[in-house]
Amino acid sequence: DAGITQSPRHKVTETGTPVTLRCHQTENHRYMYWYRQDPGHGLRLIHYSYGVKDTDKGEVSDGYSVSRSKTEDFLLTLESATSSQTSVYFCAISVGGNTIYFGEGSWLTVV
Amino acid sequence: GEDVEQSLFLSVREGDSSVINCTYTDSSSTYLYWYKQEPGAGLQLLTYIFSNMDMKQDQRLTVLLNKKDKHLSLRIADTQTGDSAIYFCAEGGYQKVTFGTGTKLQVIP
Repeated sequence: DAGITQSPRHKVTETGTPVTLRCHQTENHRYMYWYRQDPGHGLRLIHYSYGVKDTDKGEVSDGYSVSRSKTEDFLLTLESATSSQTSVYFCAISVGGNTIYFGEGSWLTVV
Repeated sequence: GEDVEQSLFLSVREGDSSVINCTYTDSSSTYLYWYKQEPGAGLQLLTYIFSNMDMKQDQRLTVLLNKKDKHLSLRIADTQTGDSAIYFCAEGGYQKVTFGTGTKLQVIP
């Protein structure tokens, strides 16, 4: 257990509405990540953070923004959700510089 | 850019050995990883190998790395029904990790 909590775990939202997913860690790790998982694509990196207020884009960052105002929290925001953003979202942390541990996932459906 | 490829599906009989294969492209990767995902759950880190190693064994799991061919494999000895899951290969280390699309392992009783 890497001490990662994601919320909400499941959400259904309408197209065009904003959505925020929260990732909370209990162990003050510096690196945190947001991935999305889709059939046929594996896991793709959306954004990552290397410290408070330090974030960078991943390979599929369009339509997403992130914020990290505290070490323990990393927020992923969909400013205006689209059906293509229906996915499973995983938060992850880097431990010891060589291993990535994942949260349990957030299932998002955009209708 | 980085790319990690895996076959999509593998079916084995209970008690047999399973071998899941993976190829990657980034020769600068520091670590190679294997993750397991059960339905409705997150990814569980099974094992990882440092890029200067050829083999790592951990109970029923054996990881083989052929750095020259950029080929990674995961062997599961005495495969059990509880091993049924999707297995992800990944490369990288520290700041960035790239994942394959996953291999679904089906274990037939």
